[in-house]
Amino acid sequence: AQSVSQHNHHVILSEAASLELGCNYSYGGTVNLFWYVQYPGQHLQLLLKYFSGDPLVKGIKGFEAEFIKSKFSFNLRKPSVQWSDTAEYFCAVNVGGGGNKLTFGTGTQLKVEL
Amino acid sequence: DAGITQSPRHKVTETGTPVTLRCHQTENHRYMYWYRQDPGHGLRLIHYSYGVKDTDKGEVSDGYSVSRSKTEDFLLTLESATSSQTSVYFCAISGTSGGIFYNEQFFGPGTRLTVL
Repeated sequence: AQSVSQHNHHVILSEAASLELGCNYSYGGTVNLFWYVQYPGQHLQLLLKYFSGDPLVKGIKGFEAEFIKSKFSFNLRKPSVQWSDTAEYFCAVNVGGGGNKLTFGTGTQLKVEL
Repeated sequence: DAGITQSPRHKVTETGTPVTLRCHQTENHRYMYWYRQDPGHGLRLIHYSYGVKDTDKGEVSDGYSVSRSKTEDFLLTLESATSSQTSVYFCAISGTSGGIFYNEQFFGPGTRLTVL
């Protein structure tokens, strides 16, 4: 079965710092990749997704992610974080098959300090 | 936001009692899912549905059952609640809406369940 690893469990940054959150998956075939964000007390919202084509994907709120197939990675980046980016970030993978199922990583809690 | 509601939003119950959580969608998506979210575990799939009366187990299905008698409703039942089922439960949907296929999942607001 596929798995998703997010190695950074807690990240603390100052405003305007650059962000990179790691995501690695274990599956050798075709994958669809997602980053979701969960603001405090809210449900998950889609930040960005990769299905095919350009491996550099741009999402909402200035976030982007790069799919590197050789490294089984899909890292999330933002050049300059804001206090409002404080949230939990989840990487997820869909390996196809029936049901459109997603496997999630354990999440990275980001705190941005003023 | 996708039209997904969950009820109740909060529930406190006692060990051994049955509990049913409801997920309702207005998007006519084919797929519906139930997840639980626990610190350090992310989201784990409990059950999912790929159509009316068509359901299958996820990775943490023990102690849970589901039913889907209508496209718009997906019920999650804890047959005899235990303290280990204290969690936040999220419903999600995906599929085709308005002629567009959505591979991503859209999430409901969640239900916080406490089992004493």
